[in-house]
Amino acid sequence: AQTVTQSQPEMSVQEAETVTLSCTYDTSESDYYLFWYKQPPSRQMILVIRQEAYKQQNATENRFSVNFQKAAKSFSLKISDSQLGDAAMYFCAYRSASSNYKLTFGKGTLLTVNP
Amino acid sequence: DAGVTQSPTHLIKTRGQQVTLRCSPISGHKSVSWYQQVLGQGPQFIFQYYEKEERGRGNFPDRFSARQFPNYSSELNVNALLLGDSALYLCASSTETGGMETQYFGPGTRLLVL
Repeated sequence: AQTVTQSQPEMSVQEAETVTLSCTYDTSESDYYLFWYKQPPSRQMILVIRQEAYKQQNATENRFSVNFQKAAKSFSLKISDSQLGDAAMYFCAYRSASSNYKLTFGKGTLLTVNP
Repeated sequence: DAGVTQSPTHLIKTRGQQVTLRCSPISGHKSVSWYQQVLGQGPQFIFQYYEKEERGRGNFPDRFSARQFPNYSSELNVNALLLGDSALYLCASSTETGGMETQYFGPGTRLLVL
């Protein structure tokens, strides 16, 4: 079974600074998809960024980018120019291409942004 | 357009009771998934339905069941509630299943079992 590990239960960053959230995963598959979701205190989870495993180029969405290292099974999220609104719980998630109906989530990293 | 809606927002039950949670997907979305999020943990997959058929089931006991209606809304039923069923139950909808498909999550139903 696939597992997703987020080793940082909590992180903090100063406003306008850059922070990197870590995620590693365990799988024997070669084709899969990776996601970062954000869950603000209001609880509604929203997609931040996604990556296809067979694409070597790292995904970027405005201030959010990933560092995808397939061999190391690592998928970190970098947030540049952090804003107060970035404060939330961040979840890394994995979806297999073969049993592709479910997301497997890590335990999450709580990000605090200090003004 | 309205996002994914869930009802009720909060619910308190006692052990042994049964509960039904409801989810309305985004208009045009045919897939609904249910997740259980215990405090301090990431969401755990329970079910996915697509076009009214079950596409996947997570590692949950048979006390958990779900269905999807012709209008693509969905219900999650939990029988014989246990204290450990206390959690935030999330519903997510998408147009298709799998791949890079984005799942849009609802605000959740907070269930407390006493």
